[in-house]
Amino acid sequence: EIVLTQSPATLSLSPGERATLSCRASQSVSSYLAWYQHKPGQAPRLLIYDASNRATGIPARFSGSGSGTDFTLTISSLEPEDFAVYYCQQRRNWPPITFGQGTRVEIK
Amino acid sequence: QVQLVESGGGVVQPGGSLRLSCAASGFTFSDYAMHWVRQAPGKGLEWVAYMKYVGGNEYYADSVKGRFTISRDNSKNTLYLQMNSLRAEDTAVFYCATTVTPYYFDYWGQGTLVTVSS
Repeated sequence: EIVLTQSPATLSLSPGERATLSCRASQSVSSYLAWYQHKPGQAPRLLIYDASNRATGIPARFSGSGSGTDFTLTISSLEPEDFAVYYCQQRRNWPPITFGQGTRVEIK
Repeated sequence: QVQLVESGGGVVQPGGSLRLSCAASGFTFSDYAMHWVRQAPGKGLEWVAYMKYVGGNEYYADSVKGRFTISRDNSKNTLYLQMNSLRAEDTAVFYCATTVTPYYFDYWGQGTLVTVSS
């Protein structure tokens, strides 16, 4: 099973600041990695797939990078609606499909 | 537009059973694989089960293997999750999701809460 480790657990930032979230895989997942945004009481939302491709309707302030075992989600300038929990997910080697434990982006 | 609506959640005693349903609309249900994903209180997302578009190919997380069964009725555009021998650690919000972009969860339902408690 591929384990995904996200860091930091919590990121405290102000609107307008840049957010950088990390996801590290226990073995290579090539570029088969996605990022999701999840707000309380809502369905998770696909942001990025295949490491760097924005999903339909996702604003350009969200970008993904990386390959192999190290990946980054960057939010260039935080909007109020971006404060949420973010998960990475791999599909390189499954079952099982695995998620990271999440990074909470909170308002400072 | 794509819509997934889960139902069937509730409170059940340990050892009990429950069947979840996911009604799909806005896309050709029979063309796409479907999954169940859950989130326990205060925890992250956990993939639970997968079924191919025509059935026959199923995969499960080790934590539910032998207790949960995924199925689908393409004539009713509905996905199911039969959950038996439920444990307290199965308490979670259960989401159905589809992977229009292969193996990434493009569309999700709003979730249904399952509480296993005596």
